[in-house]
Amino acid sequence: ETGVTQSPTHLIKTRGQQVTLRCSSQSGHNTVSWYQQALGQGPQFIFQYYREEENGRGNFPPRFSGLQFPNYSSELNVNALELDDSALYLCASSLGTSGSLAKNIQYFGAGTRLSVL
Amino acid sequence: AQSVTQLDSQVPVFEEAPVELRCNYSSSVSVYLFWYVQYPNQGLQLLLKYLSGSTLVKGINGFEAEFNKSQTSFHLRKPSVHISDTAEYFCAVTSMDSNYQLIWGAGTKLIIKP
Repeated sequence: ETGVTQSPTHLIKTRGQQVTLRCSSQSGHNTVSWYQQALGQGPQFIFQYYREEENGRGNFPPRFSGLQFPNYSSELNVNALELDDSALYLCASSLGTSGSLAKNIQYFGAGTRLSVL
Repeated sequence: AQSVTQLDSQVPVFEEAPVELRCNYSSSVSVYLFWYVQYPNQGLQLLLKYLSGSTLVKGINGFEAEFNKSQTSFHLRKPSVHISDTAEYFCAVTSMDSNYQLIWGAGTKLIIKP
């Protein structure tokens, strides 16, 4: 148990729809990172939030957006879903502090499996 | 751009035999290296990490890894595997090159044969 919870665990959507995935970070953690893991591949970094501000973004289009709330929980929103968005979406939390983010261990949730039909 | 290569997509090995999972990275600056394990239908769990100091790093479940700067490698080893080690193993690296975001390998499936 990492203390990072994601909801829902599974989701089925159709092309063109919008989806919101949620993540509760481990107590005391102020940094949340989101990853997309397609079947048979490693995780791909989507973006990271540190103290409610975006702190880096991977190579994903603007229809992937996020939020971090004052309690450091986070949402990932995907608009205009495409078939290729089908994947496991992983959230990781860490205690990031400026200047030492690289050394902070990321604790992962079990993920949300999104299927786009 | 920084990258991580896990040369083997699958490694079959007999129970109680030793195993090595290979990981190579590309970077021109100081790196921090990680191995994570993903059991079926679960998230990622940290096995071990290299930040600085001794190049031989010990992790959970009897795993260890050695950082080799000259060969830009961080291979994972276990002297005797158990059926419960069946999982997918991911190597990841972070550094100033990646703006301190984790860059992941494609993963290696460890298959334990009875």
